[in-house]
Order: sequence, then C-alpha cells, then structure tokens
Amino acid sequence: GENVEQHPSTLSVQEGDSAVIKCTYSDSASNYFPWYKQELGKRPQLIIDIRSNVGEKKDQRIAVTLNKTAKHFSLHITETQPEDSAVYFCAASKPGRALTFGSGTRLQVQP
Amino acid sequence: DAGVTQSPTHLIKTRGQQVTLRCSPKSGHDTVSWYQQALGQGPQFIFQYYEEEERQRGNFPDRFSGHQFPNYSSELNVNALLLGDSALYLCASSLEGLLGELFFGEGSRLTVL
Repeated sequence: GENVEQHPSTLSVQEGDSAVIKCTYSDSASNYFPWYKQELGKRPQLIIDIRSNVGEKKDQRIAVTLNKTAKHFSLHITETQPEDSAVYFCAASKPGRALTFGSGTRLQVQP
Repeated sequence: DAGVTQSPTHLIKTRGQQVTLRCSPKSGHDTVSWYQQALGQGPQFIFQYYEEEERQRGNFPDRFSGHQFPNYSSELNVNALLLGDSALYLCASSLEGLLGELFFGEGSRLTVL
C-alpha cells in the first residue's frame, strides 16, 4: 500500500519567517495530496490540497508544490504568525482509495 | 450546517471490554471513514463505509468492526480492548465521487486501563 513519509517532525521558526514541510509518497498512482492542520485537542482541518494534474497551488500565505517524478510534495507557509503553530499532516491517496497520512510536523512559531 | 459530530468525546474502559463510538456525517455526505490517531502520530485508516457496506479496510484486526445506517451515520465497535487501543478515534465524512476530500469530527478519545 501507500507509504507517506514526512519531515521534519518538529520545526521552530521566528514570526515572519517562512516554514517548509516536505513529504514523499511511494505509490506513483496517487493523485490527491491534501494538507491538514491540527491544533491541540482539535480536529484535523484541510488547509490546502493539490491534485496530480497541477504542480503548484497557492492560497494567500500557504502554497503546495508537487513533483510527480520524484514523488514528493511540500507545504510552504510564508510570513508565519503565532496562530500558525500546530501539527501539520500531509496525506496521499489514489482514486477510490483512502487517504494515507504522514506522521506529522509540529510547527512552533516564536513571537 | 452541522459538521461531523462524534460521541462520546471521552471515555475510559478496561482491558477486555467492548466499546461503541458513534458518528454523524456532515450534511449531504454519504461516506464515512474511521481513523485511529495514537498520541503524536498521524491518523491511521481503519475502514470506510458507503451504502451501508464496508468498502475499504486498513490494517486493523477483526476486533474492529463497524456499521453504517440508512441515514449515513456510523458506528465503530472495538471488542476485547487492549491497552494499545488507547487513542483518538476520528470519524471523517466525504461525498462519493469527490476524490479524497475528508471532513473530520472532533474525535472520541478512548483510554484503556
């Protein structure tokens, strides 16, 4: 089955800096790559997703890039703010199959 | 529009007992997936229900079973509880045909003593 690896496991940045989280996947048939944000004690919430027919997608301060050849995708957060502090999960799935999640990255934005 | 609702929010059981967790999907959604999230880990897929049938299953033993009702709500049952079953159990709903988009509930935190 699909295997998703995520790194780093923890990331600390200064407010205003950029943060980058990277994931690799194993199944070349995967074509959907969402990112979820989970605040402490809360549900995971979708923040952005990308499908395999595009290489990059941006939504305000958040962007995701996908390299299908290398089978990796990344989350980029610019101008980080304290409220960006949370655990971020990447995931991947192929048509008709459930999402496989990475192990998460704990992002801490220092004021 | 209510999102995904789960009950109970917290519960404590002892080894060997059985537990039932409940989930109501987001309005308009017809597919329910269950995930187990151990502390500090990513969600692990248990199974998915659509049209009252288990459609997919992850790498979980038969002690984990489920059901989907005609109104699309779902239950997760775990028999013969083990200490290692302690986790946050997340229900997620989606709409058949919309690739991968999941909406999660707040979860049920199970502690097995």
